[in-house]
Amino acid sequence: KAGVTQTPRYLIKTRGQQVTLSCSPISGHRSVSWYQQTPGQGLQFLFEYFSETQRNKGNFPGRFSGRQFSNSRSEMNVSTLELGDSALYLCASSALAGANTEAFFGQGTRLTVV
Amino acid sequence: DAKTTQPPSMDCAEGRAANLPCNHSTISGNEYVYWYRQIHSQGPQYIIHGLKNNETNEMASLIITEDRKSSTLILPHATLRDTAVYYCIVRVGMMGNQFYFGTGTSLTVIP
Repeated sequence: KAGVTQTPRYLIKTRGQQVTLSCSPISGHRSVSWYQQTPGQGLQFLFEYFSETQRNKGNFPGRFSGRQFSNSRSEMNVSTLELGDSALYLCASSALAGANTEAFFGQGTRLTVV
Repeated sequence: DAKTTQPPSMDCAEGRAANLPCNHSTISGNEYVYWYRQIHSQGPQYIIHGLKNNETNEMASLIITEDRKSSTLILPHATLRDTAVYYCIVRVGMMGNQFYFGTGTSLTVIP
């Protein structure tokens, strides 16, 4: 069974540009959540989608957005990139909703903003 | 969300059991305890989770105290590949799959 796939693995963008990252969850999983990891702030929750609806959102500016498609694949977009957006972006998928369901993470997309 | 407290770092000799503690004194009755680990720059890996009973799987055991205010993750025979940052997370909510990670414990397994 394939795991969570994130593309691309590495990305370099210029300040002010926008970027789209992709996440394909484990087959059959309907929940996808996104996280940002930086050395200074650690792992922080961005948002979560379930059946194409955003259910939860972390404390990030509106430049960070996402969506989920009918096949459960998800994309996140960051507009007007800032140097501080350089981070490892992680996607996790879960089969079900609720607190008794483990999430499985992808390997992440390493974004560098120059 | 209930906060967790973990020691910032620990060492363990290869082949010995690694016991990683976690305090979650404000945990509520419907909140689960999850453990993940992250090997440098990889995605976090699920290890185990539980509500109030002790749990065991092929990777580890989770011991939760009776009052649920603390727990211990046990890796029975640590190997060099177990060197990683271990996160203890208290997860809330009947809806939503978000995790709130703390700073974790950096475990170093020593040959």
